[in-house]
Amino acid sequence: DAGVIQSPRHEVTEMGQEVTLRCKPISGHNSLFWYRQTMMRGLELLIYFNNNVPIDDSGMPEDRFSAKMPNASFSTLKIQPSEPRDSAVYFCASSLVTGWGKNIQYFGAGTRLSVL
Amino acid sequence: GQQLNQSPQSMFIQEGEDVSMNCTSSSIFNTWLWYKQDPGEGPVLLIALYKAGELTSNGRLTAQFGITRKDSFLNISASIPSDVGIYFCAGQTQSNQGGKLIFGQGTELSVKP
Repeated sequence: DAGVIQSPRHEVTEMGQEVTLRCKPISGHNSLFWYRQTMMRGLELLIYFNNNVPIDDSGMPEDRFSAKMPNASFSTLKIQPSEPRDSAVYFCASSLVTGWGKNIQYFGAGTRLSVL
Repeated sequence: GQQLNQSPQSMFIQEGEDVSMNCTSSSIFNTWLWYKQDPGEGPVLLIALYKAGELTSNGRLTAQFGITRKDSFLNISASIPSDVGIYFCAGQTQSNQGGKLIFGQGTELSVKP
């Protein structure tokens, strides 16, 4: 399996522009997680989906952030409009969540976002 | 909210030395995971623990699930330069049936050849 695939790996944009980050989870996984990593705040969970349905979006910083999962093999995280403080590394992770509790998350390589 | 306290925040050691780091929580966890993040990459799973008291090894790495279910440690023996990176603990509580993990703040390991 190719693992979790994120694109782009790097994104440089100007303040006010729309940014779309993409994620393809591991085939067969039923849960998908979006994280943001910064030096100051560490690894923060933004939102996660079970079976394509958003379960908890309490980590989404504000209305400028939105996430969708139209099908089991694709998800997007959109920032509109982007601001310099959104600069961070954004990770997507997927997991096969079962009732037995052995839920391991597998991470993509991340998208490094720089908003100028 | 739930938090994991991971320590130390950073370590600077000599090649060949042993390393120990740990995580504690105020909540009971039913799963403990240890991840390593190399520069420019995403976290990669090292060891998974599912039972209180469980002791699991992966090469030079050894991790234990605390008896109280509120802590875990990771040991690295005979460190080498490629052990450099950030190590994260992560846990799942009984109520997190959606697969949500709580992550520690990370331990940044530097190894001097």
